[in-house]
Amino acid sequence: QKEVEQNSGPLSVPEGAIASLNCTYSDRVSQSFFWYRQYSGKSPELIMSIYSNGDKEDGRFTAQLNKASQYVSLLIRDSQPSDSATYLCAVRLGYGQNFVFGPGTRLSVLP
Amino acid sequence: DVKVTQSSRYLVKRTGEKVFLECVQDMDHENMFWYRQDPGLGLRLIYFSYDVKMKEKGDIPEGYSVSREKKERFSLILESASTNQTSMYLCASSPLGGGTEAFFGQGTRLTVV
Repeated sequence: QKEVEQNSGPLSVPEGAIASLNCTYSDRVSQSFFWYRQYSGKSPELIMSIYSNGDKEDGRFTAQLNKASQYVSLLIRDSQPSDSATYLCAVRLGYGQNFVFGPGTRLSVLP
Repeated sequence: DVKVTQSSRYLVKRTGEKVFLECVQDMDHENMFWYRQDPGLGLRLIYFSYDVKMKEKGDIPEGYSVSREKKERFSLILESASTNQTSMYLCASSPLGGGTEAFFGQGTRLTVV
C-alpha cells in the first residue's frame, strides 16, 4: 500500500509568520511531488511541484524535497489570511501512474 | 488553460438509482481519474484510465464502474446508489509524463437519500 502522510492539523499561525507543512511518503520509487491548496467546497489547485532533491522557490512558497528521507515540505512565508485552506501533498510514481494524496493539513492564518 | 469540466456541481439521487457522473477535459490528456473526498479520509482513488477503453481499479472501486469511449470523456457510474456513496467526487486529468500534475474539475457534491 503506497502511503502519503502529512502532519496532523489544524495548524494555526499568525499573519506574517512562516507556515511549515510536512509530508512523508512510503514508496521509494516515487518520482514527482506536488502541493495542492484546497479552499473549503472547492477543488484542489496546484501550488508547487518538485522533482529533484533540494529547494524550489516560487514567490512566498518554498518546496523542499529529500528523497533519502522520503520527505517533502512546503514553507509559506509572510502567511496571509487568504492562505487559510487545506494543503494536500501528492506523489506520483512515474510515467502514466496515478497520484497518491495525503489526508491534507488544514492551515488557519490568524489576522 | 486546461479545462476539466464535470457535468453537475450538486446532485441528489435516491437509493438504488443508477447514477452517471460525467467528466470532460479539453487538453488531449491520456490519463483521467475519479476520486472521492470525505472529511478525514482525503482523496481516495476510485478508478483511473490511461487510454481510451482502458481502466485500472483504484483503492475503492466497489460499487462503481467507469467508461471511457472517447479520449476527452471519462464517466463514473454508480450502479445502485447507496447512502454511503454520499460524497464529493472529483475528476482529474493529466498527461502521461511522470513530471506533470493532475488538473481537477470543479467537483460534484452527490447526496444519496
